[in-house]
Amino acid sequence: DAGITQSPRHKVTETGTPVTLRCHQTENHRYMYWYRQDPGHGLRLIHYSYGVKDTDKGEVSDGYSVSRSKTEDFLLTLESATSSQTSVYFCAISEAGTTIHNEQFFGPGTRLTVL
Amino acid sequence: GIQVEQSPPDLILQEGANSTLRCNFSDSVNNLQWFHQNPWGQLINLFYIPSGTKQNGRLSATTVATERYSLLYISSSQTTDSGVYFCAVVLSRGSTLGRLYFGRGTQLTVWP
Repeated sequence: DAGITQSPRHKVTETGTPVTLRCHQTENHRYMYWYRQDPGHGLRLIHYSYGVKDTDKGEVSDGYSVSRSKTEDFLLTLESATSSQTSVYFCAISEAGTTIHNEQFFGPGTRLTVL
Repeated sequence: GIQVEQSPPDLILQEGANSTLRCNFSDSVNNLQWFHQNPWGQLINLFYIPSGTKQNGRLSATTVATERYSLLYISSSQTTDSGVYFCAVVLSRGSTLGRLYFGRGTQLTVWP
């Protein structure tokens, strides 16, 4: 199994509060991704990183920011949580981007509830 | 963006039956993965299969990239096969550095 952990695994918070989710990998992979999964949907990309301090937006990035100060850690921050951000959040890693060896592996997920 | 369509959306089987899940995609891809999401929510990699055929035990997958589809075969199904099966692709052009586009999944239920 790929060495990916996410913390916390479950969180309940209130509307308007800041929330930070952490993804930690032990594989030394360059690429890291944050996805969200909602009922009736597959996963959708929030943000991704292609190296330390190199990040970019995905298709559902509004209301989220990310940071990557070390290869092994990718943080997702909800500056002011809203009920629409209640979801399951998955972190993924891959060795490469669009070239070969870019199979993605997923962490266990974080279930976030915003009341 | 690319459309990824999976069929059927739901599938109910008796233990021991065989099944075929289909994934159609609307654009050229250079990566295709199949995942199994178990009842505990964990995403398990089944196949990394941009083209060709692969087999792993009772599961096999075939991707025909030129015709833009992939098939996942499950033989002699077991109750532990229950869950949601996702197909996900990476566009071969203008891609956001390997981002996966997911289908909506096939919900498989296997009864004993």
